[in-house]
Amino acid sequence: QKEVEQNSGPLSVPEGAIASLNCTYSDRGSQSFFWYRQYSGKSPELIMSIYSNGDKEDGRFTAQLNKASQYVSLLIRDSQPSDSATYLCAGFQGAQKLVFGQGTRLTINP
Amino acid sequence: EAQVTQNPRYLITVTGKKLTVTCSQNMNHEYMSWYRQDPGLGLRQIYYSMNVEVTDKGDVPEGYKVSRKEKRNFPLILESPSPNQTSLYFCASSPEVSGAGNEQFFGPGTRLTVL
Repeated sequence: QKEVEQNSGPLSVPEGAIASLNCTYSDRGSQSFFWYRQYSGKSPELIMSIYSNGDKEDGRFTAQLNKASQYVSLLIRDSQPSDSATYLCAGFQGAQKLVFGQGTRLTINP
Repeated sequence: EAQVTQNPRYLITVTGKKLTVTCSQNMNHEYMSWYRQDPGLGLRQIYYSMNVEVTDKGDVPEGYKVSRKEKRNFPLILESPSPNQTSLYFCASSPEVSGAGNEQFFGPGTRLTVL
């Protein structure tokens, strides 16, 4: 079982709709989780971090963490074509090693 | 401007010719890390460093070396590159060693081709 798993997609969402991205993790001891956005050929860019159970909102983005079920999700409201990218979920294995999922490719259709 | 820089950005080399990819950050970050990214395999950690002279292996360290002699620099060394090391490489740094402060900032990437 991979330590951090994501559906690789592609996920296609119409403009203006809510895009929902999901991630599961295997290490119950993981405390910190991150969502990165990566445009093709570019470096990953941090968009959200979450450390506590529940929701964390930042503009159009909401991250959700459920430690009991070991999943992390990212919701993007009012999706825009510029949100089309690959989204990477990452979590810590142990104290120092950050492990990434394979990424979900998201396409927003105008 | 706060940033992580990598050089070179693109490199084509031949099997066995030693090379170094430099990484530098100007944010006084404690933690630095190297990743490689391959299609279908995602980002995989090669090595990381929690501070000067403190380095440790990630998931795919074979064929790579690193050093951390200064806080700002974390070069990646390929002593004898092989074609299976053809990849996109990213350096990253973060202000904290672990936990809530470990929000990593990535460099622009180095695309390496080994013939």
